[in-house]
Amino acid sequence: KNQVEQSPQSLIILEGKNCTLQCNYTVSPFSNLRWYKQDTGRGPVSLTIMTFSENTKSNGRYTATLDADTKQSSLHITASQLSDSASYICVVYYTGGGNKLTFGTGTQLKVEL
Amino acid sequence: NAGVTQTPKFRVLKTGQSMTLLCAQDMNHEYMYWYRQDPGMGLRLIHYSVGEGTTAKGEVPDGYNVSRLKKQNFLLGLESAAPSQTSVYFCASRDTGGNTEAFFGQGTRLTVV
Repeated sequence: KNQVEQSPQSLIILEGKNCTLQCNYTVSPFSNLRWYKQDTGRGPVSLTIMTFSENTKSNGRYTATLDADTKQSSLHITASQLSDSASYICVVYYTGGGNKLTFGTGTQLKVEL
Repeated sequence: NAGVTQTPKFRVLKTGQSMTLLCAQDMNHEYMYWYRQDPGMGLRLIHYSVGEGTTAKGEVPDGYNVSRLKKQNFLLGLESAAPSQTSVYFCASRDTGGNTEAFFGQGTRLTVV
């Protein structure tokens, strides 16, 4: 069964600190992986996309990594800001069967002063 | 620059009532999806469409019906609402291709009492 597991479930950090969120997946056949940010009461918004051949990609203070061999991805947030408080969702795209997406349950991040 | 628009944003139904949720996208996307999001769970696919006039069942289709009569609209119907259908519903759309970003609406919070 295609699954995406994220850890930790929730995280509280102080403003200015760094953090890393983890995503493990068993989705096959793999197409690509995206990290989405979901603010409270809003729909998810894509932060980065990782294809099979990419190892690292940055988008401002967000850096995503992908290890396709071990089927793991991480999202590193540098110098956190209060506005980073949100749920971060790992989404794996797979081919075949209607181009569906498999969602992780998300990591709830809270950045405090 | 509307993107994906869901109507309504909030709704309270009595058990047994029916309603239709409307999703409209202005990006000429082929693929459209309906998800539900419940606490502690990732987004779960209800139904999806890979083009005008097509629909397919997702992971949790029971109790829901959909229609895609026009390319830009994807309707989700509840014929006889049940308390178990209390949830936040998200519509998403994306273009063809394996790496395209899914764009989400702002969500519809539905409570069935």
